Amino acid sequence: KQEVTQIPAALSVPEGENLVLNCSFTDSAIYNLQWFRQDPGKGLTSLLLIQSSQREQTSGRLNASLDKSSGRSTLYIAASQPGDSATYLCAVMETSGSRLTFGEGTQLTVNP
Amino acid sequence: NAGVMQNPRHLVRRRGQEARLRCSPMKGHSHVYWYRQLPEEGLKFMVYLQKENIIDESGMPKERFSAEFPKEGPSILRIQQVVRGDSAAYFCASSRTGDYGYTFGSGTRLTVV
Repeated sequence: KQEVTQIPAALSVPEGENLVLNCSFTDSAIYNLQWFRQDPGKGLTSLLLIQSSQREQTSGRLNASLDKSSGRSTLYIAASQPGDSATYLCAVMETSGSRLTFGEGTQLTVNP
Repeated sequence: NAGVMQNPRHLVRRRGQEARLRCSPMKGHSHVYWYRQLPEEGLKFMVYLQKENIIDESGMPKERFSAEFPKEGPSILRIQQVVRGDSAAYFCASSRTGDYGYTFGSGTRLTVV
């Protein structure tokens, strides 16, 4: 059974800092991995999708890497801003079209 | 191109009533997924549907819960005889095919009183 773990559970940083969020999964036979952002009381916004054959994806100040063999992904946020404050969720898809298995999330607070 | 539409946004039901949650996928998306987020917990898969077919319902509670995605109209998640423990945020997601990522709706927050 696939399990996804995110570390740390919560993170508080001053504005401008670069930071790394970690995600690990127990079964390396994944199809893709997706990072989401969830604001309080809101839905999920997709940030980055990495296919199993890819090593990383970038979008603006965000960079996500994937090391499938070791079962790890990282989300790097450069020059953090207060508007980045949210919960970040990592999710893996094991086969095409199947369910996503989510981690518990990292709650990020960026202080002005 | 509207995103995944869920309604209602908030739903209050008394114990024993029925709750119906609706989800309209993005245009061109034929895969629909339902997830539940209990208070202070992560998102858990419930069911995966394509038009008129349930593909994977392994995450659905065995009783009181059902889902459908008819040929015409939105996908419906139905909870019969709701109990306090059903209070949660229910999210719907859709995808064009399994090769792409999901797009999530804003969720329906169910409160059972």
